[in-house]
Amino acid sequence: QVQLQESGPGLVKPSQTLALTCTVSGGSISSGDYYWSWIRQSPGKGLEWIGHIYYTGTTYYNPSLESRVTISVDTSKNHFSLRLTSVTASDTAVYYCARGMGSGYRRLDSWGQGTLGTVSS
Amino acid sequence: DIQMTQSPSSLSASVGDRVTITCRASQRISSYLNWYQQSPGKAPKLLIYAASTLQSGVPSRFSGSGSGTEFTLTITSLQPEDFATYFCQQSYNTLAFGGGTKVEIK
Repeated sequence: QVQLQESGPGLVKPSQTLALTCTVSGGSISSGDYYWSWIRQSPGKGLEWIGHIYYTGTTYYNPSLESRVTISVDTSKNHFSLRLTSVTASDTAVYYCARGMGSGYRRLDSWGQGTLGTVSS
Repeated sequence: DIQMTQSPSSLSASVGDRVTITCRASQRISSYLNWYQQSPGKAPKLLIYAASTLQSGVPSRFSGSGSGTEFTLTITSLQPEDFATYFCQQSYNTLAFGGGTKVEIK
């Protein structure tokens, strides 16, 4: 049973960078059957897909965030990471990492518990 | 961008009731539609993918239907653990979620 766990600073100042890591256990991040996603949830915007990455390093981003987002993967540590630059208060949200599967009917079948990222001075 | 609209945004029901939630896409998405359940303070949980395929381990009282632009999630005989918020999500292109439907106890 795969498990995902988010970690990272909970508080970031405006204009700075939010950096989070998702550690995967119970399975290899290098499996070609899956991709690794970041999703966030805020009261104002609901659930928002941020992007995802394959173990090869291929990434796909939400066009609305693409200019500020970088997702990377470290297969040796079995984790992947999110960097969101130039944050503002509207980036305050619970950030989830999740495992995606399906090349056709894509879906997110395992999720981390989520971590609150707060943007405040 | 494809917009996903759920209705109703909330509903009240009793244990044992049959509940139906609707999700509409702003353009045709074939069957590229998933449903998730989120209990308070928890992460979303995948219930149904490809519009009607039940995720492994999900009780058979949950079912999904639809294709194109209109989809439904049905819960037959609502159980206490089913009081939660339900989200649809399209995977036709850039993943996008509906606004959610909160199922509350009547």
